[in-house]
Amino acid sequence: AQKVTQAQTEISVVEKEDVTLDCVYETRDTTYYLFWYKQPPSGELVFLIRRNSFDEQNEISGRYSWNFQKSTSSFNFTITASQVVDSAVYFCALSHPYNNNDMRFGAGTRLTVKP
Amino acid sequence: DSGVTQTPKHLITATGQRVTLRCSPRSGDLSVYWYQQSLDQGLQFLIQYYNGEERAKGNILERFSAQQFPDLHSELNLSSLELGDSALYFCASSASKAPSSPLHFGNGTRLTVT
Repeated sequence: AQKVTQAQTEISVVEKEDVTLDCVYETRDTTYYLFWYKQPPSGELVFLIRRNSFDEQNEISGRYSWNFQKSTSSFNFTITASQVVDSAVYFCALSHPYNNNDMRFGAGTRLTVKP
Repeated sequence: DSGVTQTPKHLITATGQRVTLRCSPRSGDLSVYWYQQSLDQGLQFLIQYYNGEERAKGNILERFSAQQFPDLHSELNLSSLELGDSALYFCASSASKAPSSPLHFGNGTRLTVT
């Protein structure tokens, strides 16, 4: 069975702090895809990144970085120098190996960045 | 802007009623997905269509149905509504059904059943 766990329900930081959002996944498949989505207060879900199971290279995009470790089945997301606009709910997701229907989402982590 | 359009944004209706939610996918995307987001269940996959045909079903109730039309827009029909159906309903689209394709979500329709 496929499962995504985001153990941190809520995180609150002060602007300019670094923050890491944890994501742990379970799957029996060797091929799979991991995603992060952002849901700002306005409600829409915004795609941030996709990573396939064969690519463990970490990725950096501006203040965002992702650490994929197959050994610990984790795909953590770090925001460096957080800003108030980063306040949102962040979802980690795992796709079905043969089709991206039934993409499994974690419960989400609500990040609040205070000025 | 994801390019996925959902209407209406908000819907308030009474128990027992029927509503239709509409979704226009991104230009060129053939796959359409419906998700329900509620406080207690999180994001739940309901159903997927690919190029007009039903591709997969998730936790979709029998009171709910959907279809994808030749122009690729999709509608989600919810009938005999119950209070527990109150949720945010998202439509998403992707270019293909491949597992590597990210989903692009619309802004959602917030359904309130009173």
